[in-house]
Amino acid sequence: GQQVMQIPQYQHVQEGEDFTTYCNSSTTLSNIQWYKQRPGGHPVFLIQLVKSGEVKKQKRLTFQFGEAKKNSSLHITATQTTDVGTYFCAGTNYGGSQGNLIFGKGTKLSVKP
Amino acid sequence: DAGVIQSPRHEVTEMGQEVTLRCKPISGHNSLFWYRQTMMRGLELLIYFNNNVPIDDSGMPEDRFSAKMPNASFSTLKIQPSEPRDSAVYFCASTAGLAVVEQYFGPGTRLTVT
Repeated sequence: GQQVMQIPQYQHVQEGEDFTTYCNSSTTLSNIQWYKQRPGGHPVFLIQLVKSGEVKKQKRLTFQFGEAKKNSSLHITATQTTDVGTYFCAGTNYGGSQGNLIFGKGTKLSVKP
Repeated sequence: DAGVIQSPRHEVTEMGQEVTLRCKPISGHNSLFWYRQTMMRGLELLIYFNNNVPIDDSGMPEDRFSAKMPNASFSTLKIQPSEPRDSAVYFCASTAGLAVVEQYFGPGTRLTVT
């Protein structure tokens, strides 16, 4: 079945350093979403990308969708302690059921002040 | 507005017992999703409903798991009999339709089966 792989599994950074997490799908995706889960919390929607090669920014966060719509990345510039948490990508398969999001296992970010 | 409401927040039970998890979606949302989260397997979609009708239950692990949505404001996920490997955090999420992007997650129920 379809898999969505995320790397790295863990990332430890010093406050102020940049952070990037990568997401790769075994199949072409119709769209990809990103969620953030704080420790002990629940996933919270960040953004959705739909178009091939799409780039979206939210303040210090930059999201990219690959040209082949099989990979995506989230980049955080100058991390802050408030960025701590696990970042998940989630994709929907072309031709698949629209509600069937396949989640990656997430990248857990820790930020040392 | 209240978000997605789940109860109980924590459940500890013995193997073999029946467990019922409850979810109230955001008012006006007509799509509801049940997920399970573990360290080993990550976040897995178990089943989802649209307009109270189950659309895809292919993620339900086995017959011990069942889910219902008797009306637009309530859903249950039942495990009978429970096993230690069912220990996980179970999340419910809702959206205002399958074509809507953002899924709103509830706080989750942390289930421990001993």
